[in-house]
Amino acid sequence: GDSVTQMEGPVTLSEEAFLTINCTYTATGYPSLFWYVQYPGEGLQLLLKATKADDKGSNKGFEATYRKETTSFHLEKGSVQVSDSAVYFCALSDPRAQKLVFGQGTRLTINP
Amino acid sequence: EPEVTQTPSHQVTQMGQEVILRCVPISNHLYFYWYRQILGQKVEFLVSFYNNEISEKSEIFDDQFSVERPDGSNFTLKIRSTKLEDSAMYFCASTRDRGRTDTQYFGPGTRLTVL
Repeated sequence: GDSVTQMEGPVTLSEEAFLTINCTYTATGYPSLFWYVQYPGEGLQLLLKATKADDKGSNKGFEATYRKETTSFHLEKGSVQVSDSAVYFCALSDPRAQKLVFGQGTRLTINP
Repeated sequence: EPEVTQTPSHQVTQMGQEVILRCVPISNHLYFYWYRQILGQKVEFLVSFYNNEISEKSEIFDDQFSVERPDGSNFTLKIRSTKLEDSAMYFCASTRDRGRTDTQYFGPGTRLTVL
């Protein structure tokens, strides 16, 4: 079945550092790809999405590009802030199924 | 901005008891979902619901689970006889349409603890 694999956490960085969180996927169809973020005590919020190959999703300084050839959707940010501390989930939406398939989540902590 | 709400935020119950988790999806959304996350594990799909019936369910969603939309606003998940392994965070989500590009909007979750 479809699956998503994220880099293992936790990830700890200093403020203004460059962030990459790797995400790769396996899908039999042509999925849409999502990054969700969960801040402490809150629900899952959509951070960005991309719906076709070579699309770049972006929001709040975060970016991810849908790479069909490498089946990847890595999350990047050029300069992280303390407020970016959260758990980040990569997910795919299969066109045939009515569900999201999530990666295991990556906990990010940014130190001042 | 419209949001999905869930109650309670934390539910503690004894093994074998019934629990009902409640969700209020975004008002003009038509498709509803339940997911769960056991501590330290992935967020897993449980069930999707449209037009007052289940559209799809996972192998986790056995006969102990049921969903209902009892009125025009609430969407509930019932666990008939809870087990220790049902302890998890349960998320409700909703979406307006069901295309592969549509975004599912999630509630803050209910943490269920089964003792």
